Amino acid sequence: NAGVMQNPRHLVRRRGQEARLRCSPMKGHSHVYWYRQLPEEGLKFMVYLQKENIIDESGMPKERFSAEFPKEGPSILRIQQVVRGDSAAYFCASSPPLAALYNEQFFGPGTRLTVL
Amino acid sequence: AQTVTQSQPEMSVQEAETVTLSCTYDTSESDYYLFWYKQPPSRQMILVIRQEAYKQQNATENRFSVNFQKAAKSFSLKISDSQLGDAAMYFCAYRSDLNSNSGYALNFGKGTSLLVTP
Repeated sequence: NAGVMQNPRHLVRRRGQEARLRCSPMKGHSHVYWYRQLPEEGLKFMVYLQKENIIDESGMPKERFSAEFPKEGPSILRIQQVVRGDSAAYFCASSPPLAALYNEQFFGPGTRLTVL
Repeated sequence: AQTVTQSQPEMSVQEAETVTLSCTYDTSESDYYLFWYKQPPSRQMILVIRQEAYKQQNATENRFSVNFQKAAKSFSLKISDSQLGDAAMYFCAYRSDLNSNSGYALNFGKGTSLLVTP
């Protein structure tokens, strides 16, 4: 059973470009979470999605950031017009339905975004 | 939002010795979950141990155990018989009860970097 997959692992963008980060949850998981880790910091929650629904995006910056989890395909975190402050590691996690006993979140390896 | 504090930016331990990493948190909730995650240089987040707040018994996973003091809002991690492979960043995390409005987001501390010396 493959774990959470994220690609690309490393992404370099110039200021003003768009960044697209992909996350494929574990098989059987329908819940996806995105976290951002700035240098020397812990992970910060950004958004929680279920298939075709954004449940909570309270941690997302109001502008330039968006996320989706379509019926088919991976979850996408999209950052438009990137700035240097967006440079960070972006982690995706997935979990089974909330009714599961522990609802443990399993993390992907992360995407390191560097904005030049 | 709940705050998680890890007051030790760095810790060092000799191989085969025991080390304790500290974590405190701030919450008004009575039901919640606490976690310790390990992040090696590969940056993969690996769950080390979890604790349900309603359980009085401290969780244990092989060489890893916790000291959960609910009244003091303290959740320390003890690593026994330390191994070179234990060297990593360790993050303490809090999650509300699933029935609460925010019962899914993990709140992380800033981490403790653990160095294991031969």
